[in-house]
Amino acid sequence: AQKVTQAQTEISVVEKEDVTLDCVYETRDTTYYLFWYKQPPSGELVFLIRRNSFDEQNEISGRYSWNFQKSTSSFNFTITASQVVDSAVYFCALNILTGGGNKLTFGTGTQLKVEL
Amino acid sequence: EPEVTQTPSHQVTQMGQEVILRCVPISNHLYFYWYRQILGQKVEFLVSFYNNEISEKSEIFDDQFSVERPDGSNFTLKIRSTKLEDSAMYFCASSARDPVRETQYFGPGTRLLVL
Repeated sequence: AQKVTQAQTEISVVEKEDVTLDCVYETRDTTYYLFWYKQPPSGELVFLIRRNSFDEQNEISGRYSWNFQKSTSSFNFTITASQVVDSAVYFCALNILTGGGNKLTFGTGTQLKVEL
Repeated sequence: EPEVTQTPSHQVTQMGQEVILRCVPISNHLYFYWYRQILGQKVEFLVSFYNNEISEKSEIFDDQFSVERPDGSNFTLKIRSTKLEDSAMYFCASSARDPVRETQYFGPGTRLLVL
């Protein structure tokens, strides 16, 4: 069975600080996909990134960057120069190839609060 | 940009009543999903649907739940006899093809409150 752990329940930072959200996953499958979703206070789930298990290249998109390390089963998310609009709950999720692969397994989420 | 839509945004119902939550997936998508999120908790998978049948369901998705694609655009989740513990945000999602490799895009959710 697969599992996603987001040990940080809540993080508070001051605007312009960098912040890293941790995600550790467990799966026996060798082929899998990892995702990050953002849930702002309005409640919707916004897709941020997808990464497959064969691509360990880190990715940067504007102020967002992701560090995928298979050796530690981690897929961490860094926001550089955080802004108040980044305040949200961030979920890491996992999907595997075997067993139909029809469902995302989510972590418990990290509440990020960015203050002025 | 195409998006998943859900109606209603909020629903309040009495325990024991039937509710139907509606979703319009992205038009060229083939795989459809329902997830739920109890307040303050993580998002949990309920069911996936492809080619007019359920392809996978979780232990949460018991006989009180059913899904249907009544026409070419809508995808519905029915709860036959609601319980207090069904109060949650229900998210519909869709993906284009392969459910593993393709991203699942979520709708804005329906907040269900059972009294």
